[in-house]
Amino acid sequence: GDSVTQTEGLVTLTEGLPVMLNCTYQTIYSNPFLFWYVQHLNESPRLLLKSFTDNKRTEHQGFHATLHKSSSSFHLQKSSAQLSDSALYYCALSDRNMGYKLTFGTGTSLLVDP
Amino acid sequence: DAGVTQTPRHEVAEKGQTIILKCEPVSGHNDLFWYRQTKIQGLELLSYFRSKSLMEDGGAFKDRFKAEMLNSSFSTLKIQPTEPKDSAVYLCASSSTGGAGEQYFGPGTRLTVL
Repeated sequence: GDSVTQTEGLVTLTEGLPVMLNCTYQTIYSNPFLFWYVQHLNESPRLLLKSFTDNKRTEHQGFHATLHKSSSSFHLQKSSAQLSDSALYYCALSDRNMGYKLTFGTGTSLLVDP
Repeated sequence: DAGVTQTPRHEVAEKGQTIILKCEPVSGHNDLFWYRQTKIQGLELLSYFRSKSLMEDGGAFKDRFKAEMLNSSFSTLKIQPTEPKDSAVYLCASSSTGGAGEQYFGPGTRLTVL
């Protein structure tokens, strides 16, 4: 079945530095949809951005990601981290053949220090 | 449109009790999901309904967990009997069948079993 890998459990960085959270996926289907969800403390996960177009950059709220089917990746990036970016980030995958049910990664906690 | 609603927001139960959590999906959404979230395990899928039909019932949770979709706008998750290891946040999410799978989460119910 489908799977999503987020290699970092915790990323700690200083405010103002760039952010990159890794996400790779496995699926036998050729047209996956990839998502990033963000979950702040004591809140529920909220959709941050999504993509299904190969090699096209998707942006929202200062974050961006590009789906690269050749490397099965969908890394989340931001040019300058803010304290308010501290949260748990989930990468997720869906495809039509799986009924568009989401497969989530294990999540990456981002902690931004002043 | 109202988002996903969940009640109660907090629940404290004694070991062995029966508890029922409630969820109302976004109006018009046909897919409904129940998840359990813990720091150690992350997001775990408990049940998945499509148009009120049970599509997936998380194997490890079958014996004491039962989700039902009584109508298209209301679902319950019963845990019977509760155990201390069930202490977690229970999240309900819904999505539109015609979409790409993006799920919208409710605020969650924090369950503590003593």
